[in-house]
Amino acid sequence: KNEVEQSPQNLTAQEGEFITINCSYSVGISALHWLQQHPGGGIVSLFMLSSGKKKHGRLIATINIQEKHSSLHITASHPRDSAVYICAVEASGSRLTFGEGTQLTVNP
Amino acid sequence: GAVVSQHPSWVICKSGTSVKIECRSLDFQATTMFWYRQFPKQSLMLMATSNEGSKATYEQGVEKDKFLINHASLTLSTLTVTSAHPEDSSFYICSATTQGGAGNYGYTFGSGTRLTVV
Repeated sequence: KNEVEQSPQNLTAQEGEFITINCSYSVGISALHWLQQHPGGGIVSLFMLSSGKKKHGRLIATINIQEKHSSLHITASHPRDSAVYICAVEASGSRLTFGEGTQLTVNP
Repeated sequence: GAVVSQHPSWVICKSGTSVKIECRSLDFQATTMFWYRQFPKQSLMLMATSNEGSKATYEQGVEKDKFLINHASLTLSTLTVTSAHPEDSSFYICSATTQGGAGNYGYTFGSGTRLTVV
């Protein structure tokens, strides 16, 4: 069993839909990160969470430390949101452990 | 915001040659630099961790003599793939950290380098 598990692996949505990507982890962490990887490969850090909820534009990230679970929500999805979304946890030191990623495709 | 510049973005080289990939933190000092490898449709795999001025720490199974990492300054780290072979073809990406509050680290990723060895 992976230390970080994401669901779903693939997600196709219509433009405007509300999207949720889930992440569960099995280790104690100091922070959880949500990353976005575009088709060209570059990775952008979206959120770093250690508790509660953060919002940036149409993106919302929540974390429940007791349940070892985090969600990434995208409101009013748009085709430009199409990317791979990766959950990563930071445990000891500054190493990241990555989930397998969720491939999101938003159709116009 | 923090930016990490990674070059080259893609490179094709002949088998047996060496390739150097650079990552520079442009507007901050990177305490630690991580080097990852990614195969198609797979997640990032940590290869090594480097701190400025000290030897890199390699993950199990990563050959340190093949993947040479130099972190000579707080703004520059390099990965050299020596005597490259076709099986080294992959996507390589770096990330740099600076210490944030409460012991958590902010990460900034480079744009990645796609290496093809022919």
